[in-house]
Amino acid sequence: GAVVSQHPSRVICKSGTSVKIECRSLDFQATTMFWYRQFPKQSLMLMATSNEGSKATYEQGVEKDKFLINHASLTLSTLTVTSAHPEDSSFYICSAMESSYEQYFGPGTRLTVT
Amino acid sequence: TQLLEQSPQFLSIQEGENLTVYCNSSSVFSSLQWYRQEPGEGPVLLVTVVTGGEVKKLKRLTFQFGDARKDSSLHITAAQPGDTGLYLCAGGETSGSRLTFGEGTQLTVNP
Repeated sequence: GAVVSQHPSRVICKSGTSVKIECRSLDFQATTMFWYRQFPKQSLMLMATSNEGSKATYEQGVEKDKFLINHASLTLSTLTVTSAHPEDSSFYICSAMESSYEQYFGPGTRLTVT
Repeated sequence: TQLLEQSPQFLSIQEGENLTVYCNSSSVFSSLQWYRQEPGEGPVLLVTVVTGGEVKKLKRLTFQFGDARKDSSLHITAAQPGDTGLYLCAGGETSGSRLTFGEGTQLTVNP
C-alpha cells in the first residue's frame, strides 16, 4: 500500500512557541492531504483539507491562524501550530489521497505543550 | 453533514470467539473504508468497498457494504489477541473527498 510519513513522531515544546509537523507521501503524489486531531480513546477529528497549490479548507471551529497549513508540493504538506498552549497537546495525524477515494495515514505526531 | 454510527464502542472477548462491528448511516456514501489503529500509531487501511452489496474477505475478516451504500459491517472469525485494536469505519462523501469517521470500536481479545 501507499506510504505516508510524518515528522517528528513526538515533540515537546514550551507554551507560546510554534511547532511544525511535516507530512510526506513517499511513493505517490497527493494533490489532497488531510490533517486530523485525535484525543485519547476517541475517533479522528478532521481539522482541515490541504490542497496542493491552493489554500487549505478548514473545518468549522478550527482556527486557521493558529493551525497554519502549507501544501507546497505534491508530496509534502506541513501543519504549523502557532503560539502553542497546553490545550493544543494532542495526537495529530495526516493522510494523503492515493486514489479518488482511498486515504492513507501517517504514523501520527504526539505533541505535548508544557 | 453526513454521520456514521459505529457499534459497539467497546468489545472485550475471548480468543476464538466471533464478533461483528457495525456502521450505520442515513446517508449514502460513495465508498466505505475500514481501518485498524494501534495505540500511538496512525490508522492502517484494511479494505475499501465501493459497490452496494459488495463483500470482501481478508483472511479471518469479512467486510460487507450494504445494498444501499448506507451501512457496513466487519465480521471477525476466531478472533486472536493480535486482532486487538481500535477499528474505524469511514465513509467517503459523495460530494467530495472527505471521509466521515465512525466513533470507533475498541476491541480487546483476551488469550
